[in-house]
Amino acid sequence: SQQGEEDPQALSIQEGENATMNCSYKTSINNLQWYRQNSGRGLVHLILIRSNEREKHSGRLRVTLDTSKKSSSLLITASRAADTASYFCATGYNNNDMRFGAGTRLTVKP
Amino acid sequence: GAGVSQSPSNKVTEKGKDVELRCDPISGHTALYWYRQSLGQGLEFLIYFQGNSAPDKSGLPSDRFSAERTGGSVSTLTIQRTQQEDSAVYLCASGGGTNYNEQFFGPGTRLTVL
Repeated sequence: SQQGEEDPQALSIQEGENATMNCSYKTSINNLQWYRQNSGRGLVHLILIRSNEREKHSGRLRVTLDTSKKSSSLLITASRAADTASYFCATGYNNNDMRFGAGTRLTVKP
Repeated sequence: GAGVSQSPSNKVTEKGKDVELRCDPISGHTALYWYRQSLGQGLEFLIYFQGNSAPDKSGLPSDRFSAERTGGSVSTLTIQRTQQEDSAVYLCASGGGTNYNEQFFGPGTRLTVL
């Protein structure tokens, strides 16, 4: 399968804590992206990391990529109730092919 | 356009009827994707287009599902003889613009088959 697999399936934390979600995949990728889905409708792109990069930051988000282990992690620091959502990793291949995992449901309790 | 649009936003149909779902991608985006998402579940890949051609149709659940894209723009997903298990939100995304590989999602079409 080309799609990634997120872990855990669900995560519940208190506001202010950090949240870490993981993604593993099986085939070589061109890039890996993380998306957020708030309302069960459209997804919003968060961050893209290319296969030759190891770490990227965007605000309170930190993404790492380990191509030797075929895994990535998304860290959300100082979480807020508004971060409650489902988070998906997407593995990107050449020629625009992309596949999404099943997602991690994050709940941040106020 | 400003973003990806999909129509209709909601569709209720009777079992056995055919439905057509439409996706208008962002102008200039070469890639277009269709996904299906059942309640509380992840995204199920259906098909993607590079231009007007579909390099990978392996995600289509059955031969009742088909999709086409014309003029490198609008795409239509057709489901024939709908079944109750087809009920889901159908999401379309486009990409391949200036930020290569990032996908921009439409709001989805919620399909309910009675």
